[in-house]
Amino acid sequence: EIVLTQSPGTLSLSPGERATLSCRASQSVSNYLGWYQQKPGQAPRLLIYDASNRATGIPARFSGSGSGTDFTLTISSLEPEDFAVYYCQQRTNWPWTFGQGTKVEIK
Amino acid sequence: EVQLVQSGAEVKKPGESLKISCQGSGYSFTSYWIAWVRQTPGKGLEWVGIIYLGGSDIRYSPSFQGQVTISADKSIRTAYLQWSSLRASDTAMYYCARQAVVGYFDYWGQGTLVTVSS
Repeated sequence: EIVLTQSPGTLSLSPGERATLSCRASQSVSNYLGWYQQKPGQAPRLLIYDASNRATGIPARFSGSGSGTDFTLTISSLEPEDFAVYYCQQRTNWPWTFGQGTKVEIK
Repeated sequence: EVQLVQSGAEVKKPGESLKISCQGSGYSFTSYWIAWVRQTPGKGLEWVGIIYLGGSDIRYSPSFQGQVTISADKSIRTAYLQWSSLRASDTAMYYCARQAVVGYFDYWGQGTLVTVSS
């Protein structure tokens, strides 16, 4: 089973700042890595698939990059609604797996 | 509008059986895979399994194989997750989700909270 390790655990930033979240895989996942956002009391929401493709309706301030074992989700300028927990997820091997999450909180 | 509507919260005792549901609407139900995902504070998000509504394919995560059963009734556009004998460790939020692109899921149900306690 592929293990995804996200860092940092918590990111404290202010609205308007840039957020950079990392996800490292225990083995190569090629570009088969996605990102989800989850707010309290809500289901996860797909943001990015296959490392760098934005899902339908996702604002351009969200971008993804990376390949192999190291990936990054960047939020170029944080909006108030972006404060949430973010998860990476690989689909290279079944069972697919999620990272443990990075919480982006208001500083 | 695409919607996945899950059945309501359940409180059960260890050893009891349970079947929770996920009804899809607003799209061609049999053209998609549906996944079940478990979320707990301790283990985070985990894939339970997936089912293809256009055929008979079902895939379970090794951690859940033999512990749960995934099924569907296409005539009523509903997928199911069931247990024959619940354990306290099954206490969690369970989500169903529709596959958008292979391995990624774009529409999610609102979640069903399952609590197993004596």
